[in-house]
Amino acid sequence: QSVLTQPPSASGTPGQRVTISCSGSSSNIGSNTVNWYQQLPGTAPKLLIYSNNQRPSGVPDRFSGSKSGTSASLAISGLQSEDEADYYCAAWDDSLNGSVVFGGGTKLTVL
Amino acid sequence: QVQLQESGPGLVKPSQTLSLTCTVSGGSISSGGYYWSWIRQHPGKGLEWIGYIYYSGSTYYNPSLKSRVTISVDTSKNQFSLKLSSVTAADTAVYYCASAVPLVPAANYFDYWGQGTLVTVSS
Repeated sequence: QSVLTQPPSASGTPGQRVTISCSGSSSNIGSNTVNWYQQLPGTAPKLLIYSNNQRPSGVPDRFSGSKSGTSASLAISGLQSEDEADYYCAAWDDSLNGSVVFGGGTKLTVL
Repeated sequence: QVQLQESGPGLVKPSQTLSLTCTVSGGSISSGGYYWSWIRQHPGKGLEWIGYIYYSGSTYYNPSLKSRVTISVDTSKNQFSLKLSSVTAADTAVYYCASAVPLVPAANYFDYWGQGTLVTVSS
């Protein structure tokens, strides 16, 4: 049972816009920044969004992040086949002396 | 650009200690600016943060693993290491090392990752 809650799956067709939600609490998302990671099959995770809505260099602007209260969202517009991957949200949790917590991951399928 | 590479045994017996090393290239651990982290992923499952260390030796650990985890740093070799004691089959996972910035835990994120190494706990 992950501290952050994500839908296990999402899907869309090429060109569509898809959003993935991440729900937490006041001790994590409610008080700290949210980061998103993309994990392509058989590879290590890659930083996709940091500090709620910032894109690292090289990440297409089709990817965007937002946060409101104790929830966050990742949006992917102009969906492409290469976006098929697992997506994880993460944040610092202030409880129990602090720790990084992840969502359970969302498997995105491009139909 | 920082690169990280995990190394260590791929098979560990139950009750023994899992030991992994992460070698950092493209940057010096002792230059500061990063937390050096371990994260694992059980087969077919999500990510679990294990802990991280600063070059000075200060550490943060996942409370659920804290009693069994030790993360250390060797600045002379530009490496940091993970030891997980009293392992069981539940510790079978891919173990990743990663760098985390900035040096404010509440705001940090993992910007560079190693490729990961599978450790199986079995007799």
